[in-house]
Amino acid sequence: ETGVTQTPRHLVMGMTNKKSLKCEQHLGHNAMYWYKQSAKKPLELMFVYNFKEQTENNSVPSRFSPECPNSSHLFLHLHTLQPEDSALYLCASSPSGGGDYGYTFGSGTRLTVV
Amino acid sequence: GIQVEQSPPDLILQEGANSTLRCNFSDSVNNLQWFHQNPWGQLINLFYIPSGTKQNGRLSATTVATERYSLLYISSSQTTDSGVYFCAVYYGNNRLAFGKGNQVVVIP
Repeated sequence: ETGVTQTPRHLVMGMTNKKSLKCEQHLGHNAMYWYKQSAKKPLELMFVYNFKEQTENNSVPSRFSPECPNSSHLFLHLHTLQPEDSALYLCASSPSGGGDYGYTFGSGTRLTVV
Repeated sequence: GIQVEQSPPDLILQEGANSTLRCNFSDSVNNLQWFHQNPWGQLINLFYIPSGTKQNGRLSATTVATERYSLLYISSSQTTDSGVYFCAVYYGNNRLAFGKGNQVVVIP
């Protein structure tokens, strides 16, 4: 357990479904991130939140909708996804400005779109 | 943006062997982190190392920031060391850029 918890661990959804990924951190961090990891590609940054405010959207399609109700929780709402969106979605948190320990990642949600 | 290159991309080791993984980056960075991704997908922090050398058990890492590279050493490898090792560099406002990873397989 790293202090960042993601649920569910696995998700299979149809292209017309709506689902949400959840991330929770207990580290007192103020920055939270969503990353996408596809096969044979580097991790891609999707969204950044600092103190609950979105500070970066890395040209992510609108079918991915993040929500950060407080500094400890981060959601990724999914709707009308495409098969190419199948990937491992990783959440991370960090102290704002870096700090001594950098990013801490959750275990990820492995998403399959059918 | 910053380019992060890791080599070798794939490595097969006999249990007990030593190995070195390399990470080159294209620009000055604020910091650098090595991760190990286990078969279940979790990224485990190994080292947070802007410069110098750190050791943790059989693993050690060295970053030479002025020459824009970092090395991860695995000594006396074990099957549990298998997985993907990622180098990630910090730039800008605490942003993290990843390399493509080193896929390591340790065979008994």
